[in-house]
Amino acid sequence: QKEVEQNSGPLSVPEGAIASLNCTYSDRVSQSFFWYRQYSGKSPELIMSIYSNGDKEDGRFTAQLNKASQYVSLLIRDSQPSDSATYLCAVNIQGSQGNLIFGKGTKLSVKP
Amino acid sequence: ETGVTQTPRHLVMGMTNKKSLKCEQHLGHNAMYWYKQSAKKPLELMFVYSLEERVENNSVPSRFSPECPNSSHLFLHLHTLQPEDSALYLCASSQDRLNEQFFGPGTRLTVL
Repeated sequence: QKEVEQNSGPLSVPEGAIASLNCTYSDRVSQSFFWYRQYSGKSPELIMSIYSNGDKEDGRFTAQLNKASQYVSLLIRDSQPSDSATYLCAVNIQGSQGNLIFGKGTKLSVKP
Repeated sequence: ETGVTQTPRHLVMGMTNKKSLKCEQHLGHNAMYWYKQSAKKPLELMFVYSLEERVENNSVPSRFSPECPNSSHLFLHLHTLQPEDSALYLCASSQDRLNEQFFGPGTRLTVL
């Protein structure tokens, strides 16, 4: 059973639209959830962290966490071509000695 | 210097060479990590150091040897590598193992 799953995409949205990225995880007792953005050839950059159920907003980004359903999502409003990147979901999995487990990432393409 | 730095940024080595990757964090964090990122694969955790204590990942071949002389520095010593070891090697740090991790720029390694 895969521990952190993401749709690999590519997800293509027009400029100005809302991009919705989803992630599911296997461990019910996970406590920490993170979204990273990775441009091609670059290292991952943290863009959001969320620890409790509900929504967390930061600028154009909103992270949503539902622990009962074991999913975490990232919404990007007013998508820009500069948002085109791979988005990695990372979850603190209890059984992994507290280490972060990363999904494979979803590639987002924002078309002008 | 700020954040997490890594040197060298690019490395080409033969299978009989010995080389070392260096990572330094300027964030006052207590945990440091080595990850391997290969094409079309999720980030693979290689090693974790927490308060200078190593948590090993048993699936890492012995040709990779980490060293953490203090809480700010982390090395990855390489010897007798294989072409399939070619990848992006990323260093990260975090305040503790439940918190968000911050990545360095990575070392792009090519083994000939």
